[in-house]
Amino acid sequence: NAGVTQTPKFRVLKTGQSMTLLCAQDMNHEYMYWYRQDPGMGLRLIHYSVGEGTTAKGEVPDGYNVSRLKKQNFLLGLESAAPSQTSVYFCASSSGGNTEAFFGQGTRLTVV
Amino acid sequence: GESVGLHLPTLSVQEGDNSIINCAYSNSASDYFIWYKQESGKGPQFIIDIRSNMDKRQGQRVTVLLNKTVKHLSLQIAATQPGDSAVYFCAEIGANDYKLSFGAGTTVTVRA
Repeated sequence: NAGVTQTPKFRVLKTGQSMTLLCAQDMNHEYMYWYRQDPGMGLRLIHYSVGEGTTAKGEVPDGYNVSRLKKQNFLLGLESAAPSQTSVYFCASSSGGNTEAFFGQGTRLTVV
Repeated sequence: GESVGLHLPTLSVQEGDNSIINCAYSNSASDYFIWYKQESGKGPQFIIDIRSNMDKRQGQRVTVLLNKTVKHLSLQIAATQPGDSAVYFCAEIGANDYKLSFGAGTTVTVRA
């Protein structure tokens, strides 16, 4: 049982490039979340999904898009990367609104 | 142990003492709360949770207290050990939108 897996673990992008971060969970969870964490700060919610085919904005959605075409996958896209998007990105999933969320190991993204 | 009612960004604790970490949450409609522990280079890990119809819950060496009147959450760690050194976050889930939102973390350092 792998839990929550994030791909890739590390990436360096040039300003203006695009990329997609993949989050996969094998726990049949309905809810999935994407966060960013900057040095010395907490986790800020980018987007989240409460079920296949649904997405919603979090606290800091600008510059990101997401898709939840399959229940087990939640994709985070950066259409035109900016240095301000340099961060560690975490994905999480949970079985419902009142249950614990499980986190992936993070993706460290650097935009130069 | 060391305890204040306000959130502190850092907490230094003598090994063997009790620790108390405080958190103020923002959404009076939140009905589920979680404490997470994050070690360097890793994703957050679940410690303990509490629902809004409770005011106290105990786990192994940890206790969570919830005061809905003042929107305050605390985590007590008994007999703090070196392995407890980490950043601790409280999180809340909104009853209506199911957003999992994190508070500012507290970095706990255990002194030998």
